[in-house]
Amino acid sequence: GAGVSQSPRYKVAKRGQDVALRCDPISGHVSLFWYQQALGQGPEFLTYFQNEAQLDKSGLPSDRFFAERPEGSVSTLKIQRTQQEDSAVYLCASSPTGNRYEQYFGPGTRLTVT
Amino acid sequence: DQQVKQNSPSLSVQEGRISILNCDYTNSMFDYFLWYKKYPAEGPTFLISISSIKDKNEDGRFTVFLNKSAKHLSLHIVPSQPGDSAVYFCAAKGAYSGAGSYQLTFGKGTKLSVIP
Repeated sequence: GAGVSQSPRYKVAKRGQDVALRCDPISGHVSLFWYQQALGQGPEFLTYFQNEAQLDKSGLPSDRFFAERPEGSVSTLKIQRTQQEDSAVYLCASSPTGNRYEQYFGPGTRLTVT
Repeated sequence: DQQVKQNSPSLSVQEGRISILNCDYTNSMFDYFLWYKKYPAEGPTFLISISSIKDKNEDGRFTVFLNKSAKHLSLHIVPSQPGDSAVYFCAAKGAYSGAGSYQLTFGKGTKLSVIP
């Protein structure tokens, strides 16, 4: 079946611009996660949704970062007033319910802030 | 401070030989561990996992070993193939209650090169 998809794959933004990154999870997956991966690092947790409820946003680095999943499927990560330190790959992952802890990742969106 | 550490940034192995990738963790609250493989310009792909109540899990050419007392796990690939060349990430899940228990904590990755 179809995996996790993300769009756009690449985004260049001027400092101060707002950006919106989209994630389409695997159909039927209840849990959705956003991670940020800087160059040479592992992914770092940003936020977690169970259906439409955002249950954990402890990893969001500032109040410029906002995520939503209004209907419990597609999710959008929005970054306002982008800064150069926001340049990274943003990964979305989804996971089924139950005792399965594996998360299935999309290809990521590479954001470059100039 | 890093809670999941992969101290070898890179590893080269001859095709057909065993590849051993290592991972150490500091948080004793981790109860589930996963290995992911990542090719350039793609997202991480789930490989294999192990619960903290086990010490070994095997899936085809991939075996993960967990030594809880040493807070160490390793991924063995036998035999190694050129297509295994990728960055491998170790990840861990906490045994907390509530929403915080679902996030994964990743190491920095080890780049494996399998030489034909």
